[in-house]
Parts: sequence; C-alpha cells; structure tokens
Amino acid sequence: EIVMTQSPATLSVSPGERATLSCRASQSVSSDLAWYQQKPGQAPRLLIYGASTRATGIPARFSGSGSGTEFTLTISSLQSEDFAVYYCQQYNGWPPHPFGGGTKVEIK
Amino acid sequence: EVQLVQSGAEVKKPGESLKISCKGSGYSFTSFWIAWVRQMPGKGLEWMGIIYPGDSDTRYSPSFQGQVTISADKSITTAYLQWSSLKASDTAMYYCARPRGSGGFIGFDIWGQGTMVTVSS
Repeated sequence: EIVMTQSPATLSVSPGERATLSCRASQSVSSDLAWYQQKPGQAPRLLIYGASTRATGIPARFSGSGSGTEFTLTISSLQSEDFAVYYCQQYNGWPPHPFGGGTKVEIK
Repeated sequence: EVQLVQSGAEVKKPGESLKISCKGSGYSFTSFWIAWVRQMPGKGLEWMGIIYPGDSDTRYSPSFQGQVTISADKSITTAYLQWSSLKASDTAMYYCARPRGSGGFIGFDIWGQGTMVTVSS
C-alpha cells in the first residue's frame, strides 16, 4: 500500500502570508493527487485534484503542484477562513487510496 | 442537488453490532463509487474502503479488511458500513464520500455530514 506523508504537522502563519504544505508518496502516483481542507466540526472539502486543478468554487489563492512522489499545496495569502487542517490523498490505480496524516495551519 | 445523507449518531456497547447508512440522491447512484472514511477523535482521515453500487465491487484498506463490511442497496440508493462486534476503538466519526467523476476515483467532492459512533460500556 502506498503511504502518504505530509509535512510539517503544524504550520504557524500570519494572515496575509504565504503557506506551503508538502505531501510525499512512498511510490509514484503520477498526478493522481487531491488536497482537502477540513475545519472543526465539518466534513472535508475538496480543494485540488489532478495535483493542480482547483475544484469548483475554490479561490485562486489555492494552488497545487508536483507529480510522481512530491507535491505541494500553496496558499498565496492566508485569509482568516483558511486556518484549518489540510490533507492530501492519492488515487492512483485501484484502491486503497490513503490520505496523508494532515497539516494543521494555525494563526501565528 | 447532489447529496449524501447519513444516518444519525449511535451509542453502542462493546460487542454489539451496528449498521450505518449513507443515502445518495440527485445523481446516478449506480455510476459512482462511494467510499467510507474514519476520523477518530482529534485524529486524521483514514480511508476504509469503497464500493461501486452498480455491481457491488468492494475494495478495502488492509487496515480495515475483515473488521467492517461495506455494502449497498441500489434499489434505495443507499450504502452501508457495518460491524458485527464493536470495540471501544471503533469510536469515531464516519463519513461517506463520492468521487467527482463517474466510474473513477478522482477526488471526493461530495461528502456526507458524518455519523458519530460511540462505543462505551
């Protein structure tokens, strides 16, 4: 089974600053990588799929990059509503399609 | 409107059985996989398994194989997650989720509201 590793576990950022989150796969997943945002008490929300395509309604300040085993989610200028936990998930080939352990983006 | 609506919160004792549900509406239920995702209190998302209601093809994470059973009844557009003997460690929020493309796995864009399962003696 492919293992997804996210870093850092916690990222402290000031509003208006850029946040860069990383996700690594234990083997190549091509561009079959999604990012999700989860706020307390809510279900996750799809942000990015195909490593770099924003889902419907996602603001342009969210961008994804990478392929193979190394991926990045960038939030260009953090807004108050962006403080949340972010997860990556690979969906290459047949299941299982595990999530990473998550990165919590907190206010500095 | 495309949506997944899950059954309500459950409080059970260790050793009891349980079946929770996820009803899909607003789309072709038999054309999209539905996955189950566990989130233990204060922890991350865990992919448990997935079912294709069209033919009941089911895949499990090795961590959950043999621990739970995923099924679907396409006549009532509902997927299920069941346990035969609950443990305290099954206490968690359980989400169902649907990928954005029919027949594929590309990112879960539709999520249920979650079902909280509490197992305590």
